Amino acid sequence: DTEVTQTPKHLVMGMTNKKSLKCEQHMGHRAMYWYKQKAKKPPELMFVYSYEKLSINESVPSRFSPECPNSSLLNLHLHALQPEDSALYLCASSQEGRVGRREQYFGPGTRLTVT
Amino acid sequence: QKEVEQNSGPLSVPEGAIASLNCTYSDRGSQSFFWYRQYSGKSPELIMFIYSNGDKEDGRFTAQLNKASQYVSLLIRDSQPSDSATYLCAVRKNAGNMLTFGGGTRLMVKP
Repeated sequence: DTEVTQTPKHLVMGMTNKKSLKCEQHMGHRAMYWYKQKAKKPPELMFVYSYEKLSINESVPSRFSPECPNSSLLNLHLHALQPEDSALYLCASSQEGRVGRREQYFGPGTRLTVT
Repeated sequence: QKEVEQNSGPLSVPEGAIASLNCTYSDRGSQSFFWYRQYSGKSPELIMFIYSNGDKEDGRFTAQLNKASQYVSLLIRDSQPSDSATYLCAVRKNAGNMLTFGGGTRLMVKP
């Protein structure tokens, strides 16, 4: 089973709203990722968690705040977003600790629209 | 020069033909190579990964890696209209977790 789940599927929020995106996996993966993808572009890495600790932040604005409550869950808290933040937000997970065995599996994504 | 390059396409092939998708990368230290398929409006789906020089086959898909020439390719045999999608090449440079994606190649398989 290579399933990563994400909720909600779609989200529309105003620029003053606070919302959260959720991601869950039960594959025992210890690395989890947030990506942002705009239309006709490849996924763009935002954050990486390794063993529940933030290991990579790709200079993402502070209006995006990641959280990893446990090894299966990953959240992305959103606050005061801008219309240009509208995109498909993808969660992915992979194994850790074994070089060459870290295939990343993506969830279905959350389509975010900021009005 | 981009780190991972793909022809954006569209690559158009007739149903039943072999589709050949290519990807070149700039960092000789790259270790792991992945092909993702992405249908319009959907998330990327991992279809192949390859770590060693040579060919790796899985059903109708074959991944080919040539580290000396720094390219990786994906062959799709007996192409079907359902294979029409964007194919993303991704490369992991070292022991870390970061993937670098190419821009993707749009494949169109015509009945």
